[in-house]
Amino acid sequence: GAGVSQSPSNKVTEKGKDVELRCDPISGHTALYWYRQSLGQGLEFLIYFQGNSAPDKSGLPSDRFSAERTGGSVSTLTIQRTQQEDSAVYLCASSLFQGAYEQYFGPGTRLTVT
Amino acid sequence: AQSVTQPDIHITVSEGASLELRCNYSYGATPYLFWYVQSPGQGLQLLLKYFSGDTLVQGIKGFEAEFKRSQSSFNLRKPSVHWSDAAEYFCAVGASGGATNKLIFGTGTLLAVQP
Repeated sequence: GAGVSQSPSNKVTEKGKDVELRCDPISGHTALYWYRQSLGQGLEFLIYFQGNSAPDKSGLPSDRFSAERTGGSVSTLTIQRTQQEDSAVYLCASSLFQGAYEQYFGPGTRLTVT
Repeated sequence: AQSVTQPDIHITVSEGASLELRCNYSYGATPYLFWYVQSPGQGLQLLLKYFSGDTLVQGIKGFEAEFKRSQSSFNLRKPSVHWSDAAEYFCAVGASGGATNKLIFGTGTLLAVQP
């Protein structure tokens, strides 16, 4: 079956602009995660969704970052007023439900802020 | 706090040689442990996982890992490395309970394979 998909695969934006990154989880997976992978910080957790609610937003680095999930499926990560330090690969993962810890990752969105 | 340490940043092995990648974790309760592999420009692929039971777990692509509670380790092994195994390998720990189930990753080990 289809895996986790993310779009766009690459995004180049100017400092100060807003960007939206999209994640389509595996069909039927209720848990969805966003991570960020950068040279200086490695792989970091950003936010977790169970259904449409986000019980853990502790990894979001600032209030410029937000995310939502609709219909228990697609999720959008929004970064407002992008900064150069936001440049990274943003990875989305999904798992069947909260108790199933196997997370399946998408290919990521490479964000470059110029 | 939960943490994962991968002491080897970069490892080079010859094709056909055996491989062991080290992983140590810090977690107060019983950990859920994972190894993921990332090829250049790709996402993360799950190699294997340990939740409970047999401490020697088998994964895909001929990999195995052994959970050693006394050493807080979960080292990844492969008896004979293939050139296609060249990639970056990440060890991760997941919280066994709680609301998040987020993964805490190590910094990764980059594996190069010499012909």
